[in-house]
Amino acid sequence: EAQVTQNPRYLITVTGKKLTVTCSQNMNHEYMSWYRQDPGLGLRQIYYSMNVEVTDKGDVPEGYKVSRKEKRNFPLILESPSPNQTSLYFCASSLRFLLDEQFFGPGTRLTVL
Amino acid sequence: QKEVEQNSGPLSVPEGAIASLNCTYSDRGSQSFFWYRQYSGKSPELIMSIYSNGDKEDGRFTAQLNKASQYVSLLIRDSQPSDSATYLCAVGGANNLFFGTGTRLTVIP
Repeated sequence: EAQVTQNPRYLITVTGKKLTVTCSQNMNHEYMSWYRQDPGLGLRQIYYSMNVEVTDKGDVPEGYKVSRKEKRNFPLILESPSPNQTSLYFCASSLRFLLDEQFFGPGTRLTVL
Repeated sequence: QKEVEQNSGPLSVPEGAIASLNCTYSDRGSQSFFWYRQYSGKSPELIMSIYSNGDKEDGRFTAQLNKASQYVSLLIRDSQPSDSATYLCAVGGANNLFFGTGTRLTVIP
């Protein structure tokens, strides 16, 4: 089944404790992206990747890191999480940017205490 | 900052009616436009994409784009209770996608 998977789905952590949210797609998509969704602010892009080893900042990259060493994986790293990073996070992928549908993962609800 | 504006609603329509959702955007250079549907607690799913001026129809859904007015809309005909969701407008920039905050639609049986 074609899909985007994220792990964990739910995470409660404390300020400053490094964490990684994994994202994997099995559709051989070139483009992958991370978004956060907050009430009243909608979906905002954190980072995106046009292909392996090609990543760039979105609208709200501060406090986040990403890497794209393999085509299928695009982990999101929070080196020192803070409470303002409490949010719902979505990973998405598409075959090519903008010309094709972006498939979203199921989401990761992160709470930073 | 590229802006995508939507009426947050909520928008309530009776079952069988036409629901009209609107979106405006600020970047005149935008080339691609999307409507996503998001049920509560779920991830967004694509309903329509549109790239050129005019109307595009898919079943009960019609997307309309007017680049001169920087306006894109979604019409849902014969609205069903299962259409109750938040509808997100997304506009494509050079390398990324900008989303509106969404319009919550409720279809009343």
